[in-house]
Order: sequence, then structure tokens, then C-alpha cells
Amino acid sequence: RKEVEQDPGPFNVPEGATVAFNCTYSNSASQSFFWYRQDCRKEPKLLMSVYSSGNEDGRFTAQLNRASQYISLLIRDSKLSDSATYLCVVNRPGYGGATNKLIFGTGTLLAVQP
Amino acid sequence: GAVVSQHPSRVICKSGTSVKIECRSLDFQATTMFWYRQFPKQSLMLMATSNEGSKATYEQGVEKDKFLINHASLTLSTLTVTSAHPEDSSFYICSARPPDRGNTYEQYFGPGTRLTVT
Repeated sequence: RKEVEQDPGPFNVPEGATVAFNCTYSNSASQSFFWYRQDCRKEPKLLMSVYSSGNEDGRFTAQLNRASQYISLLIRDSKLSDSATYLCVVNRPGYGGATNKLIFGTGTLLAVQP
Repeated sequence: GAVVSQHPSRVICKSGTSVKIECRSLDFQATTMFWYRQFPKQSLMLMATSNEGSKATYEQGVEKDKFLINHASLTLSTLTVTSAHPEDSSFYICSARPPDRGNTYEQYFGPGTRLTVT
């Protein structure tokens, strides 16, 4: 089982639509969760961290369910510029002096249509 | 935000040759750097963790003798793909973590290096 799993999509939505992405993770010891955005042939860029109580940043809302090991990202009022791949990212804790690491999901491709 | 550079951005090499990719943190000192590989339509796969002044730690399935990592200074890590084969063609991305942030997971990514082995 992959450490972080996402629906690869693509999600094709019209401008102005609301779209939701889901992600599950397998390591119950993970403590930090993120959504990254990656444009084609570019490096990933941090979109937002995900907090236990849920958090919002403008049109973006992230939710975390630790019991179900489930993370979500909601995008409201989609813009053409939101078209990208959205990566769910979870930390893998380091033990015995090992470095903690970020593990990336396969990403969900979003295409916002005019 | 913090800046991480990679060089070269794109490289084409012949099968059997070696290629070196540099990753630099430009405005901060990075005690830890990470190397990722991304194949088309796949996610970033962590290859190795590089700590300044010590040997890199490789992820399972990554050949340490093929992917040589050197982190000789707090601002530079290099990845050398030795005896490259066409299946090594990929997008290689590094990231750097500032010091004193062991309990957080802040990482800054370089722009990536696209390697094509012919």
C-alpha cells in the first residue's frame, strides 16, 4: 500500500465550480500534512499546510481527519489559473536520529475549463 | 522566500556517461537536502536524504553506487548519475531544509533538472 494515495483525476471543471480532492495516508504516526501545487514541468510549491481543526486560505479549504487518516482540499470558485496538479504531502517521522521526510502522493490533475 | 537553485536545468547525455547535478541554497544554510525523482505522470519519489558532512541516506530500492550524493558544504549538494541509462531519464528535483527546523518540515524546492539519456 502506498504511503499517500490520491485519485489521479483528471478533474475537468468549468470556471466558477467547486471541486474537492481527497487523500489518504497509511502512517498513523504522521503529524504534518500539506497540499502542494505543481505546474507542468515545474517544481512543487507549497499551497497550504493542513491543521487538525481545518483551515482556510481564500478560496482553498483543507480538512484533516486523523481517525480516518484522510485529508481533503476544497477549491471554491475555480479559476483558469488553478489548473495544475495538486499533491497531497505527509511527513514520515524520523526515528533514532533519522531525518523526518516528506512523502508525496501521486497528485490529482485539475483542468479548469473556460 | 528562500531560494534554491539547480544546475543544469536540462541535460542530454549519452548512455554510459555520468552526469552531475548541483543543488544550491542561495540565501540560507541547509543542513539537510533531499533528492527526488519524478517520472512522467508520477509523483515525486524521494531518492535520498543528504546531511552536510555525512553520508547520504538512500531510500529503499535506490542504488547508492549509481546515484552518488555529496553534501560538502551547507549550501551545496550534488547528485551524480553514474553510467546513465535511458531509464534514468527523469525530472530530478532537490529541496533544502534550513537548520534548526528538525521538528518542522519546511523545505524549499529547486526548479528541477530534466535529464534525458539517449
